[in-house]
Amino acid sequence: SQELEQSPQSLIVQEGKNLTINCTSSKTLYGLYWYKQKYGEGLIFLMMLQKGGEEKSHEKITAKLDEKKQQSSLHITASQPSHAGIYLCGADIENQGGKLIFGQGTELSVKP
Amino acid sequence: DAGITQSPRHKVTETGTPVTLRCHQTENHRYMYWYRQDPGHGLRLIHYSYGVKDTDKGEVSDGYSVSRSKTEDFLLTLESATSSQTSVYFCAIKGQGNYGYTFGSGTRLTVV
Repeated sequence: SQELEQSPQSLIVQEGKNLTINCTSSKTLYGLYWYKQKYGEGLIFLMMLQKGGEEKSHEKITAKLDEKKQQSSLHITASQPSHAGIYLCGADIENQGGKLIFGQGTELSVKP
Repeated sequence: DAGITQSPRHKVTETGTPVTLRCHQTENHRYMYWYRQDPGHGLRLIHYSYGVKDTDKGEVSDGYSVSRSKTEDFLLTLESATSSQTSVYFCAIKGQGNYGYTFGSGTRLTVV
């Protein structure tokens, strides 16, 4: 089983709708990172959330870290076709000496 | 991506041949990583390095070796390539502060 579980694995939404992607860790999180990837391309850094619980927003994307649940959520408001792609959460697992691991990814499609 | 380059970008090789992928950084970062990306698996950590000649295994290290003889270069070697190693390989460096990790553009490797 994965140390980081993302859900859902794929998501199709109508343009303009809101959506949420979750990332849950089986271990203590030191830092949580969200990335976006367009098909066939590299990873684009979205946000970093620190240990201790945090919430950040950029344009229409908001990410939160719930320390008690060891879970992060990525919320997109009023989705657009430009939001389509693969979203990946990555985490620094405490006491792992700088080891960054990732969830399986969530493939998002936005229908015009 | 700024400060990190991977080479080659594409490679086709035959089963049983050795292959070396190179990751080069210009920012003097301590931590460097090699991942592979396959559909449905997100990014899986192969090996990482926390300094010159200091490396450790990741989740899927079997069949791979790495070397870091100087800060700027992290090499990934497939001693005897197999078809199961056909994948997209990403290198990453650990940035400073809240800038997360920066990824290279990826190397698409096909083993035939």
